[in-house]
Amino acid sequence: EAQVTQNPRYLITVTGKKLTVTCSQNMNHEYMSWYRQDPGLGLRQIYYSMNVEVTDKGDVPEGYKVSRKEKRNFPLILESPSPNQTSLYFCASSFQGLAGDEQYFGPGTRLTVT
Amino acid sequence: GQSLEQPSEVTAVEGAIVQINCTYQTSGFYGLSWYQQHDGGAPTFLSYNALDGLEETGRFSSFLSRSDSYGYLLLQELQMKDSASYFCAVRDDKIIFGKGTRLHILP
Repeated sequence: EAQVTQNPRYLITVTGKKLTVTCSQNMNHEYMSWYRQDPGLGLRQIYYSMNVEVTDKGDVPEGYKVSRKEKRNFPLILESPSPNQTSLYFCASSFQGLAGDEQYFGPGTRLTVT
Repeated sequence: GQSLEQPSEVTAVEGAIVQINCTYQTSGFYGLSWYQQHDGGAPTFLSYNALDGLEETGRFSSFLSRSDSYGYLLLQELQMKDSASYFCAVRDDKIIFGKGTRLHILP
């Protein structure tokens, strides 16, 4: 089954404790992206990757890191989480990242930072 | 800067037609996409318009006017399962989403 998976689905952590949210897709997509979703603000892009070893900042990259060492994986790293990073996070992938490409979203990771 | 504007909420009656508008202001423009998101779920792709005009996919249609920087999503024969949030999105280098329109459907 074609899908994007994220882990963990739920995470409660404390300020400053490094964490990683994994994202994996099995569709051989070149383009992958991370979003955060907050009430009233919609989806905001954090980072994106056009292909292996190619990453770029989205609209809200501060406080986040990503890496793309393999085509299928695109982990999101919070080196020192803060309460303002409490949010719902979505990973997405698409074939080539062209404007009309359908993005496939993972199920989401709900992160709480206390 | 880049921005997309869409109404925060729309209410319609089951079986009716509803239009969700989206106006955009972007430095570059390659087309307008629409996504649906049910409560507790992930966004799913509905449609994409690169050129002016109407694209129809079943009960859903999407329209784009590049000269007006405007598009809309048209939902016909509304069903209760269409109750969801709808997002327009554009891509320049980054992908920018609107804040979403919550569609309420009354029986």
